[in-house]
Amino acid sequence: GAGVSQSPSNKVTEKGKDVELRCDPISGHTALYWYRQSLGQGLEFLIYFQGNSAPDKSGLPSDRFSAERTGGSVSTLTIQRTQQEDSAVYLCASSFSRLGYTFGSGTRLTVV
Amino acid sequence: GIQVEQSPPDLILQEGANSTLRCNFSDSVNNLQWFHQNPWGQLINLFYIPSGTKQNGRLSATTVATERYSLLYISSSQTTDSGVYFCAVGPTGTASKLTFGTGTRLQVTL
Repeated sequence: GAGVSQSPSNKVTEKGKDVELRCDPISGHTALYWYRQSLGQGLEFLIYFQGNSAPDKSGLPSDRFSAERTGGSVSTLTIQRTQQEDSAVYLCASSFSRLGYTFGSGTRLTVV
Repeated sequence: GIQVEQSPPDLILQEGANSTLRCNFSDSVNNLQWFHQNPWGQLINLFYIPSGTKQNGRLSATTVATERYSLLYISSSQTTDSGVYFCAVGPTGTASKLTFGTGTRLQVTL
């Protein structure tokens, strides 16, 4: 597509529920990244996919977080048993190799 | 891990003024990018600039990798330049994974 598409744009969930966030990267971009941004803060790296290589999961904050990328394209970030501290904007970006990132508009997650 | 410091943290300018934003980093890098986050939260890539100088309209950037800093210049600022400017770096060896600074919040007033 023309840009990076994320869905949903907003998600309100109850504490303890699981959520899935979706990212559709730019066609042909080999790298895909997930970051999160808490209110008024900078961006925190979560996970990185590059082609068919094993993903870099070093930023995932706990084993409640997981992500997959199917067919080298669409990615899903799953948060199990959500906690209030998981509330943030989750941002996805894609790039061709390590060149300039293009970010999506993000998913604002609120855990109540 | 690598540390990224941006200065100033906040900046208020009158429309038409020029400004320089600075990004210092603690280790060698071969990936450096500048982003603008507008008031609606959208992040826009301004420059991919691991070294050298680039210009795009009223914006330009210079990275001196050997001295571990980068500068973003905004000339003739406009109200649409308001938002947060982030510097992000990828250390040599893990260049694709960017570490973001805490940003410079810019407000341009009439």
